[in-house]
Amino acid sequence: NAGVTQTPKFRILKIGQSMTLQCTQDMNHNYMYWYRQDPGMGLKLIYYSVGAGITDKGEVPNGYNVSRSTTEDFPLRLELAAPSQTSVYFCASNGGSSGNTIYFGEGSWLTVV
Amino acid sequence: AQRVTQPEKLLSVFKGAPVELKCNYSYSGSPELFWYVQYSRQRLQLLLRHISRESIKGFTADLNKGETSFHLKKPFAQEEDSAMYYCALRGGATNKLIFGTGTLLAVQP
Repeated sequence: NAGVTQTPKFRILKIGQSMTLQCTQDMNHNYMYWYRQDPGMGLKLIYYSVGAGITDKGEVPNGYNVSRSTTEDFPLRLELAAPSQTSVYFCASNGGSSGNTIYFGEGSWLTVV
Repeated sequence: AQRVTQPEKLLSVFKGAPVELKCNYSYSGSPELFWYVQYSRQRLQLLLRHISRESIKGFTADLNKGETSFHLKKPFAQEEDSAMYYCALRGGATNKLIFGTGTLLAVQP
């Protein structure tokens, strides 16, 4: 059981470049989330989705976009990378048989230089 | 507004000493409270939640609605307890979690 899988694990971007962080889950969860984790700031919710075709902004959505074309996948896109987006990104999901327990991916370390 | 406050960024204790990680919340309805743990460079894992009133790895947490607190406690700390601990709140229909800023627990030998 793979759970929540994120790719890539590590990435260095130049300012202004774009990239997509991939997230997929095999637990048939309806709810999916993207968080960023910064030292001393905890986890901040970027975007979330309550089901395929439905997305909504979290606390810190600026500079990011998401889509949810399938139940399994919830990619996070950075269009014009900025140094302020240097962070660790976590994808998470819950729903279905897991109830309220939220499962996290292993994280993606992103550095923008 | 929903908010979770963890006042301590770092808590350092000696092995065998009691541990209390503080968490206070603000929420207008009936929230669900959770503690998540993150060991070094690993993903977050659910430690416990107030609904189940369980003890995991010797940790317990009681929801105190009067004080709006959900402090995490353990009577005797172990070195393997060293990790980052996040208190989280879930409220409303969207299932999203709001996290505190986290407390780094360092257990000294």
